[in-house]
Amino acid sequence: ETGVTQTPRHLVMGMTNKKSLKCEQHLGHNAMYWYKQSAKKPLELMFVYNFKEQTENNSVPSRFSPECPNSSHLFLHLHTLQPEDSALYLCASSQDQGAIYGYTFGSGTRLTVV
Amino acid sequence: ILNVEQSPQSLHVQEGDSTNFTCSFPSSNFYALHWYRWETAKSPEALFVMTLNGDEKKKGRISATLNTKEGYSYLYIKGSQPEDSATYLCAPEYGQNFVFGPGTRLSVLP
Repeated sequence: ETGVTQTPRHLVMGMTNKKSLKCEQHLGHNAMYWYKQSAKKPLELMFVYNFKEQTENNSVPSRFSPECPNSSHLFLHLHTLQPEDSALYLCASSQDQGAIYGYTFGSGTRLTVV
Repeated sequence: ILNVEQSPQSLHVQEGDSTNFTCSFPSSNFYALHWYRWETAKSPEALFVMTLNGDEKKKGRISATLNTKEGYSYLYIKGSQPEDSATYLCAPEYGQNFVFGPGTRLSVLP
């Protein structure tokens, strides 16, 4: 365990469903991130939160809605997804935004949209 | 869009072989270069962070070098072991965020 926990590990959802991914860290980190890895593509940054405030939205469609209620928890709410949204979703955290500190990653949620 | 390349895309070596792979990245506005090791079904794990031209880092049998002027980094593994099998990601840093490369998938055959 890295200290960053993601649940669920696997998720299958229909295009009309609403689901949420959860990420939790108790490392005392102030920045949290959502990344997406589609098949045969590099990791893509989706969202960044620093001290609970969203500091970056990398042109992500509105069917992905992040939430950061406190510095330890990060959610990704999903609704009316498309099959092409099937991917591995990784959460990461760092001491502060500023990658020189390095990221601690979770193990990811493997999402399949049917 | 910043283009980060890693080569080769995949690599098979025999146990005991030494190997190396390359990360190339745009050098303008570069701040730092990170290497991550990602085993299947696990979390990416930080290996090194380097900032200065000519930096060299070492961790056991794995080492890395950095050339910021020409925009490349090499990762070396000496005497590969089956447990080194993983995808190795490089991630140059610009501003406050990483740009990840596509990775080199290493398989070490016993």
